[in-house]
Amino acid sequence: GAGVSQSPRYKVAKRGQDVALRCDPISGHVSLFWYQQALGQGPEFLTYFQNEAQLDKSGLPSDRFFAERPEGSVSTLKIQRTQQEDSAVYLCASSLARIANTEAFFGQGTRLTVV
Amino acid sequence: AQKITQTQPGMFVQEKEAVTLDCTYDTSDQSYGLFWYKQPSSGEMIFLIYQGSYDEQNATEGRYSLNFQKARKSANLVISASQLGDSAMYFCAMRVNSGYSTLTFGKGTMLLVSP
Repeated sequence: GAGVSQSPRYKVAKRGQDVALRCDPISGHVSLFWYQQALGQGPEFLTYFQNEAQLDKSGLPSDRFFAERPEGSVSTLKIQRTQQEDSAVYLCASSLARIANTEAFFGQGTRLTVV
Repeated sequence: AQKITQTQPGMFVQEKEAVTLDCTYDTSDQSYGLFWYKQPSSGEMIFLIYQGSYDEQNATEGRYSLNFQKARKSANLVISASQLGDSAMYFCAMRVNSGYSTLTFGKGTMLLVSP
């Protein structure tokens, strides 16, 4: 497809369950970002990849969160032992280059609800 | 570290009128980009407009213009001739040009356009 694709669109998980969220960036995009957006808030940075290298994971809230992009394209955000505070929309974005004037394109997000 | 401040939680405007959404930023970097995104209730983040820190002229894209005042570190979005479809959350964001660069977002402004 032409845009950033995220799956699933919606996920309901029982507390304690592990989840995996997938992001297919635009083909050829070097940079990939994950954001967490709580209800009524702006997106908060989680982690950043440049190709397959995870250059910044300072935004990951705990060691239950893990992200990978092994071949420099598709990325997976994994949350282990989900907690209610993990409920949010998880947004993935990609951009062609790493420089500031490059527009980042966003997927539609995965809405995670932990019950 | 970068910081974006949007002080207006909500704004109301009548159809066909112009509206200004405020954004101030803080960074020690000299080279950076400023972005505005629109997020309708469906959840996707839609890129609206970009302003580079060295751009001498204010950016314009159709009905959107960015009032960039570098000395005051402000990057307000002006929407002219508001339409009902402009009702959405609006986020200001920035990205710096040093090393790798991630997008930092503000908390957003909810714009409601009334007939």
